[in-house]
Amino acid sequence: EIVLTQSPATLSLSPGERATLSCRASQNINSYLAWYQQKPGQAPRLLIYDESNRATGIPARFSGSGSGTDFTLTISSLEPEDFAVYYCQQRKSWPLTFGPGTKVEIK
Amino acid sequence: QLVQSGAEAKKPGESLKISCKGSGYSFTSYWIGWVRQMPGKGLEWMGLVYPGDSDTRYSPSFQGHVTILADKSFSSAYLHWNSLKASDTAIYYCARQGPLSGDAFDIWGQGTMVTVSS
Repeated sequence: EIVLTQSPATLSLSPGERATLSCRASQNINSYLAWYQQKPGQAPRLLIYDESNRATGIPARFSGSGSGTDFTLTISSLEPEDFAVYYCQQRKSWPLTFGPGTKVEIK
Repeated sequence: QLVQSGAEAKKPGESLKISCKGSGYSFTSYWIGWVRQMPGKGLEWMGLVYPGDSDTRYSPSFQGHVTILADKSFSSAYLHWNSLKASDTAIYYCARQGPLSGDAFDIWGQGTMVTVSS
């Protein structure tokens, strides 16, 4: 099973700041990584697929990068609605796995 | 969209089947996954079903404890337990794997809260 590790667990930032979230895989997953955003009481929402492709309707301030085992989700300038929990997920092999999440909170 | 059945309150040992109904796309052509979220915790992938032929894949962590089903005549996928445990208390999401989104989960149901308590 591929284990995903996310860091930091919590990121405290102010609106307008840049957020950099990390996801590390226990083995090479090529670019088969997705990122999701989840707000309290809501279902997750797909942000990025295959490492760097924004899903439909996702603003350009969200970007993904990386390959192999190390990946980054960047939010260039935080908007109030971006404070949420972010999960990475790999589809390189079954079982599909999610990372434990990074909470982006208002400083 | 995917619309899930409503919240359930059950006792340990009882059986349960929750549903996920798809609309607005060809339901039989996309894998549907189930994801568990225990209270205050992260997301866990449970398994997938392909409604076109009911092929299924399970996470080893859930194999043998749940059954994932599909009925293409009702455009629905199901998650079934024969004997619930208190530790099954969680929100369960269904989600579609979208081939145009790199097989990521591009559409999600609203979630079904399952509470198991004596």
